[in-house]
Amino acid sequence: KAGVTQTPRYLIKTRGQQVTLSCSPISGHRSVSWYQQTPGQGLQFLFEYFSETQRNKGNFPGRFSGRQFSNSRSEMNVSTLELGDSALYLCASSLQTANYGYTFGSGTRLTVV
Amino acid sequence: KNEVEQSPQNLTAQEGEFITINCSYSVGISALHWLQQHPGGGIVSLFMLSSGKKKHGRLIATINIQEKHSSLHITASHPRDSAVYICAVSLIQGAQKLVFGQGTRLTINP
Repeated sequence: KAGVTQTPRYLIKTRGQQVTLSCSPISGHRSVSWYQQTPGQGLQFLFEYFSETQRNKGNFPGRFSGRQFSNSRSEMNVSTLELGDSALYLCASSLQTANYGYTFGSGTRLTVV
Repeated sequence: KNEVEQSPQNLTAQEGEFITINCSYSVGISALHWLQQHPGGGIVSLFMLSSGKKKHGRLIATINIQEKHSSLHITASHPRDSAVYICAVSLIQGAQKLVFGQGTRLTINP
């Protein structure tokens, strides 16, 4: 069965621009979570969506937003990009909650210049 | 202080050695996860634990809920085990949110 698919794999953007990243979960998975990984801060939770509703949110500014569609695909958007937003953005999907285990995508590496 | 602490941060060993990576946490959890990340970024979920011990091939994970401590063991280590191993916990409050340790970079030399 297909894994979690994240697109694009690599992205270069300029400061001030906005970016949209996509995550397609494993078929049947209804929970999608997003994470940011940087060398300085490590992995940090951004937000989680379940059945098109944001269920949890991490400590990130409002420039970071997301949504989930009826087919469980999720997008995250970062507006007014800053250099510090350069990171690997990972999504993970699970059936319902973390207690069912997570499957991670390969990530989108965003570079802001 | 981080809610999830791993030790050691870096570990280098010879092929065949028994490896132990430790994880301590300071919050109530609903589950603890061990993850493996290879160069290039992809993360693989190795174990999810809420009690006791789990084994998969040469990997063993244990958790002591009372002591808020978990260990990941690798027996007969191999160079292909070289990766970053990350401990993460699902919090009881906001249970779907993962909090991560800083990771342990393991290098196994042939």
